Amino acid sequence: EVQLLESGGGLVQPGGSLKLSCAGSGFTFNNYAMAWVRQTPGRGLEWVSTFSGNGGRIYYADSVKGRFTISRDNSKDTLYLQMNSLRAEDTAIYYCARDLDYGLGSFYLAYWGQGALVTVSS
Amino acid sequence: DIQMTQSPSSVSASVGDRVTITCRASQGIRNWLAWYQQQPGKAPRLLYSSSRLQSGVPARFSGSGSGTDFTLTISNLQPEDFATYYCQQTNTFPLTFGGGTRVEMK
Repeated sequence: EVQLLESGGGLVQPGGSLKLSCAGSGFTFNNYAMAWVRQTPGRGLEWVSTFSGNGGRIYYADSVKGRFTISRDNSKDTLYLQMNSLRAEDTAIYYCARDLDYGLGSFYLAYWGQGALVTVSS
Repeated sequence: DIQMTQSPSSVSASVGDRVTITCRASQGIRNWLAWYQQQPGKAPRLLYSSSRLQSGVPARFSGSGSGTDFTLTISNLQPEDFATYYCQQTNTFPLTFGGGTRVEMK
């Protein structure tokens, strides 16, 4: 059974940093593209970043480019999102998600974690 | 960026009804479109990808379309289908989602 478990969410002040982790199990982690998607009540679902499978490419939304860094440690079956220079508008539930298809990915998100709440506030 | 526009934003329906949700892309995306269902407090669930029904998804869900106009139809609405539905394009980065359609009980 595919499982994704996020951790690292919490309360952080504006301008601060936070690192999210997503531990995957039940599949060959390095073979799949992985993504971060966030959700706020006011803005619905917003794609944040994708790391293609098999050592592929990295993509970011313009809203986080230069501030967030996606990475993966395939030896630990874990995906990360380093978030720097956080702003109030980054407040959201952050989901980790696995691609539907093997390899570079189709970017359809077939499996999702339970979400990690990030609150940026002073 | 490709904008995804869903309509309606909400719809009231009864068990047994047929519900159709529309998603329009601001430019052609061939058939690189997904539909997700989200229950309150839960993560989204992939229903359709490129017009392929995902394993375990009931056949009362059907998707169609290509290019810029897409539809998701729920036939014979069941109690567990009251949820919010999102479309997503994967033709081009940045990946973008529609604003969502809430299917509410009448």
